[in-house]
Amino acid sequence: AQSVSQHNHHVILSEAASLELGCNYSYGGTVNLFWYVQYPGQHLQLLLKYFSGDPLVKGIKGFEAEFIKSKFSFNLRKPSVQWSDTAEYFCAVNARPGGGNKLTFGTGTQLKVEL
Amino acid sequence: ETGVTQTPRHLVMGMTNKKSLKCEQHLGHNAMYWYKQSAKKPLELMFVYSLEERVENNSVPSRFSPECPNSSHLFLHLHTLQPEDSALYLCASSQVKFGRDTEAFFGQGTRLTVV
Repeated sequence: AQSVSQHNHHVILSEAASLELGCNYSYGGTVNLFWYVQYPGQHLQLLLKYFSGDPLVKGIKGFEAEFIKSKFSFNLRKPSVQWSDTAEYFCAVNARPGGGNKLTFGTGTQLKVEL
Repeated sequence: ETGVTQTPRHLVMGMTNKKSLKCEQHLGHNAMYWYKQSAKKPLELMFVYSLEERVENNSVPSRFSPECPNSSHLFLHLHTLQPEDSALYLCASSQVKFGRDTEAFFGQGTRLTVV
């Protein structure tokens, strides 16, 4: 069965610092990859997605992620974080694309950005 | 507003009670999902409905019974639950068309406490 690993469970950064959150998955076939964000008290929202094509994908609010197939990785990056980026970030994989969004999630990374 | 509405937002029930969680999506999608989010565990996919037909049941105990009367509504019927079933239950929807998936949109969840 596929699995998703997020290596950082809690990250604390100062405003303007750069961010990189790691995500690795275990499935070897075609995958769809996602990063979701959950702001305090709000629902899960899509940050960005990779289906095919350019492995560097850009999402909302200045976030980007790079799919490296050889490393089974889909790390999330942002060059300069803001206090409003404080949230929980989830990496997710659909290992059977085309049959519905049967997502396998990582355990999440809690990001706190300090002023 | 997410386009996926879940009710109730909070539910406390005894182990002998019967209750139902409701989900409604206003996005015109043809697939709906139930996920479970327990403390310190990744979101787990429970059920998948595509075109109102259950296509996946991830070894969920029979005390959880889903129902999808039409493409816009999804229910999760609960009976004789255990305290370890206390969790956040999330509903999601997406569109499956010609073997391609859109991303999933999530509701805000129902926080269930079993006493």
